[in-house]
Amino acid sequence: DVKVTQSSRYLVKRTGEKVFLECVQDMDHENMFWYRQDPGLGLRLIYFSYDVKMKEKGDIPEGYSVSREKKERFSLILESASTNQTSMYLCASSLPLGTQYFGPGTRLTVL
Amino acid sequence: QKEVEQNSGPLSVPEGAIASLNCTYSDRGSQSFFWYRQYSGKSPELIMSIYSNGDKEDGRFTAQLNKASQYVSLLIRDSQPSDSATYLCAVTTYYGNNRLAFGKGNQVVVIP
Repeated sequence: DVKVTQSSRYLVKRTGEKVFLECVQDMDHENMFWYRQDPGLGLRLIYFSYDVKMKEKGDIPEGYSVSREKKERFSLILESASTNQTSMYLCASSLPLGTQYFGPGTRLTVL
Repeated sequence: QKEVEQNSGPLSVPEGAIASLNCTYSDRGSQSFFWYRQYSGKSPELIMSIYSNGDKEDGRFTAQLNKASQYVSLLIRDSQPSDSATYLCAVTTYYGNNRLAFGKGNQVVVIP
């Protein structure tokens, strides 16, 4: 079974803090993705990576950065958290052209 | 035009009935199509993938693809209360590298 894990299920941070969200997959997948999901807006792609140290911007990269130093690990960084970044964050991984498998999600609240 | 549209509002079906969900997409070059189920507060989980025109059945679920008309549908037969969830349609895009475009989802409520 594909397993994608995320470092926290729930996270509460203060405005201006630097926030790290980590995602780990155990299936040797090349592709990894970070989405955020908000009511009425659906899933929106923030960044994705198709190889170690490679990254591409998604639809809403502003205010976020990512890091992929190892194949199994993809980190999302909020440089200076703001209240409008309160959301559910979902990580996914896949083989090239394969199905995306999602982690359990991190519900981030920024106060 | 949005890449993937799921237009119908919440769908209420009695237990045992068929639930029918539709999805249209804009990119004629899309090759792969997926249906995900998402329970409230949980992450999406894959229930069906389909790659060629026609029907694909898996248990109580049937996915139908019509590339000429650019739509994909999902039928849930013998609906159960456990099928109550939001169903997301996803389609590969011209960006390649398996980047998916997601619809906003359709909520299904199965009434016992």
